[in-house]
Amino acid sequence: EAGVAQSPRYKIIEKRQSVAFWCNPISGHATLYWYQQILGQGPKLLIQFQNNGVVDDSQLPKDRFSAERLKGVDSTLKIQPAKLEDSAVYLCASSLEVSNQPQHFGDGTRLSIL
Amino acid sequence: GQQVMQIPQYQHVQEGEDFTTYCNSSTTLSNIQWYKQRPGGHPVFLIQLVKSGEVKKQKRLTFQFGEAKKNSSLHITATQTTDVGTYFCRVYNYGQNFVFGPGTRLSVLP
Repeated sequence: EAGVAQSPRYKIIEKRQSVAFWCNPISGHATLYWYQQILGQGPKLLIQFQNNGVVDDSQLPKDRFSAERLKGVDSTLKIQPAKLEDSAVYLCASSLEVSNQPQHFGDGTRLSIL
Repeated sequence: GQQVMQIPQYQHVQEGEDFTTYCNSSTTLSNIQWYKQRPGGHPVFLIQLVKSGEVKKQKRLTFQFGEAKKNSSLHITATQTTDVGTYFCRVYNYGQNFVFGPGTRLSVLP
């Protein structure tokens, strides 16, 4: 079984620039999550999708972050414009239908803001 | 809001020693999951606990859910260098969403 695919693995941009991350979940997984993990901390949920609908985006900074999952499969997360405090690893995870199922994580995208 | 603590924040052990980390919640939990994240890696699911007082074992790892369903522990017997990493609990509170704890970072000295 192929795992969760994410790209790119690394990204370096200057503050105020834009950046986008892509995630392809495990086939058949209806639930997709985007997390932000700052060094030394636990993953913080940004947004949760169930198929192509948003279940929880309460911690997504909507003035600069956006995410979509148009066809209920892969997803993109965008930051525009980036701030220094956005430097983190952005993890994508997927799980079967309900949110209390085990999550499978991708390798993440390490974002550095200069 | 839901408060999740993990104790200790860091633990350094000599290889062969035992290790325990605790996950404590301010509210009663529906279930709890444990994940391990190796340095530079991503979290990997270890186990899920649902029942009050539940105990599950995976080789040298023992997981326990408290009787009041407000805390959980992960115990590793005779640590090995392969156990190095950060151990996270992910807790689910009735009516709320899952939250990851801050993690316990384990170092094992050979």
